[in-house]
This record gives sequence, structure tokens and C-alpha cells, in this order.
Amino acid sequence: GAVVSQHPSWVICKSGTSVKIECRSLDFQATTMFWYRQFPKQSLMLMATSNEGSKATYEQGVEKDKFLINHASLTLSTLTVTSAHPEDSSFYICSANRATGAETQYFGPGTRLLVL
Amino acid sequence: DAKTTQPPSMDCAEGRAANLPCNHSTISGNEYVYWYRQIHSQGPQYIIHGLKNNETNEMASLIITEDRKSSTLILPHATLRDTAVYYCIVRVEGTYKYIFGTGTRLKVLA
Repeated sequence: GAVVSQHPSWVICKSGTSVKIECRSLDFQATTMFWYRQFPKQSLMLMATSNEGSKATYEQGVEKDKFLINHASLTLSTLTVTSAHPEDSSFYICSANRATGAETQYFGPGTRLLVL
Repeated sequence: DAKTTQPPSMDCAEGRAANLPCNHSTISGNEYVYWYRQIHSQGPQYIIHGLKNNETNEMASLIITEDRKSSTLILPHATLRDTAVYYCIVRVEGTYKYIFGTGTRLKVLA
């Protein structure tokens, strides 16, 4: 149990276009999901906390108008990178919080974005 | 800032136990310690978590000191597939957020 999927696994797009990444918890419901970004040879950086049915909470320095997050159901959160630029190229990873008392996060496999 | 500190890298011989330490001296009384690992170009994989008592599952054992200021993840018989970056995490107090540190890069040697 506790499987989280992401789609797509990789995407290449032109500068100026928007890209949507989906994160799904497949076998449990998640009231809270998280979005991270990871650059090469660096650790994961938390971008935002996504709560079902409410607005996402963004970490300091993350532009909410550029990284649109929607958490419309207990099993799906989406991250849209708007007007992508080459500096947005990165590995985007989501996680879903499983309410088991310890509130453990389970991570998706990641989405690699390359903006040309 | 991450609430944990770990050595940046470790080597371990295949078949031997890998002991990965973590310092979390500012942990509060009701916060868990979580361990994950990340194999290259994949999302982090959950390993184990604990509060006060030592824990064991099919992947690893977690030893938490009595004062809860540090812990050790033990992979009892390391294999080449255990080569990864291992992260020890304590949540931001009062939230569900994880702040990742730099982790320990474990290399299992044949």
C-alpha cells in the first residue's frame, strides 16, 4: 500500500508554454500533498503544501502565480508550471500524507521537466 | 533549515551492516524520526519511522537513543542496490512539512 504516482514522468516543452504535472495517491486518501523541486546534485526543496479543497501554502521564495497548485480531490493534486523558462527545468516530486498517526509522507517517482 | 545533521557520505562492504547516524538534538517530545532513501533519479522511498522505541521492519532497523537526540538506521546486510542517499527527517514542529537536509550518500562496495 501507500503508492503515489506522477504523470508525466518526463516532459520537454518550449519556453513560454505551461506544463501540468499530476500527482495521485492510488490506494489511500490524502488531505495533504506536498510539492518539491530538486536540482542536480542537490537535496529536495519544499515548494508548497497542498490541502484538499483549499488554497495551497507556498514556501518563501516560491512564486504562487508561476506554480499553480490545485488539490481538487483526496487523491489528486496538480502542479502547473506557467510560462515555463529554462531555469524552471528541474525534477519535480510530489508526496502524499498518509494519516496513520505518524502522518508519514509517501513520494511519487518524480517528473523531469526540461524547458528549451 | 533542516532539523537533522548527517555525515555527507559513507562506504560499506556488500553483505556487511550499514550503520547510518543522524543527529536531531532539537526534536520535540512528540515528533517522529523518519528515514527515507533516494536512488538516483527516483522519488524518495520510505524506509522506517520511530518515536521512542527501537523499530524494525523488512528493510531496516531504527535505533533511537533514550534522550531522542540521535538515531541510527541499520541496514543489516547491505547489497549493491542499497547504494543511495539516505535522509533522516524530523517534521517542522506543528506542521506536516519535511525539510530535507543533505542526507548521507551511502556507497555499497562489492
